[in-house]
Amino acid sequence: QVQLQESGPGLVKPSQTLSLTCTVSGGSISSGSYYWSWIRQPAGKGLEWIGRIYTTGGTNYNPSLKSRVTISLDTSKNQFSLNLSSVTAADTAVYYCARDSWGIGNYYYMDVWGKGTTVTVSS
Amino acid sequence: SYELTQPPSVSVSPGQTASITCSGDKLGDKYVCWYQKKAGQSPVLVIYQDTKRPSGIPERFSGSNSGSTATLTISGTQPMDEAEYYCQAWDSRTVFGGGTKLTVL
Repeated sequence: QVQLQESGPGLVKPSQTLSLTCTVSGGSISSGSYYWSWIRQPAGKGLEWIGRIYTTGGTNYNPSLKSRVTISLDTSKNQFSLNLSSVTAADTAVYYCARDSWGIGNYYYMDVWGKGTTVTVSS
Repeated sequence: SYELTQPPSVSVSPGQTASITCSGDKLGDKYVCWYQKKAGQSPVLVIYQDTKRPSGIPERFSGSNSGSTATLTISGTQPMDEAEYYCQAWDSRTVFGGGTKLTVL
């Protein structure tokens, strides 16, 4: 079955760009009608949706992060990536990637999740 | 911006029924899904499209959505169900509720 795995630096300095990659195994990232999402959870807080990318490359972003976020797709590597610029301590969190299934009528649900990766923003 | 409101905590005795609510403006006009999240683990989808259970999710998990409130119901709650539960809907962006800590005691 499809599995997702996040990878990237666990420590990022303030004002720099956080870059994470999600590798998809057990299926092609470009097959089927899926979105591929990034979500984060700061310690002691709830889940926060960051954004997503469709198999055709179209994106949706959380308005509160939109000015700093870029999500991209690399079908040759079966990966999608997150770039979050100008990070601060508030961006310290566990970051998850997920497969976002959807259907007619605007229903969406994330049915496959990565294990998550902890990113700390600190000098 | 659209918001989903959940109670911070719900307590239930083993074997009893737990109900976790999620409220939002005209939420019944949207589709809701629910995730179970245990500490140190990834979220697990337990209900999608208001009422559907993914393969492998026990029948004791059920969902409903009407008016401005969606409800996740766990019948015959087991100690293993103790976790944080999040509702999610779409309103031009994915929106999560703040999460509800379910305690089974």
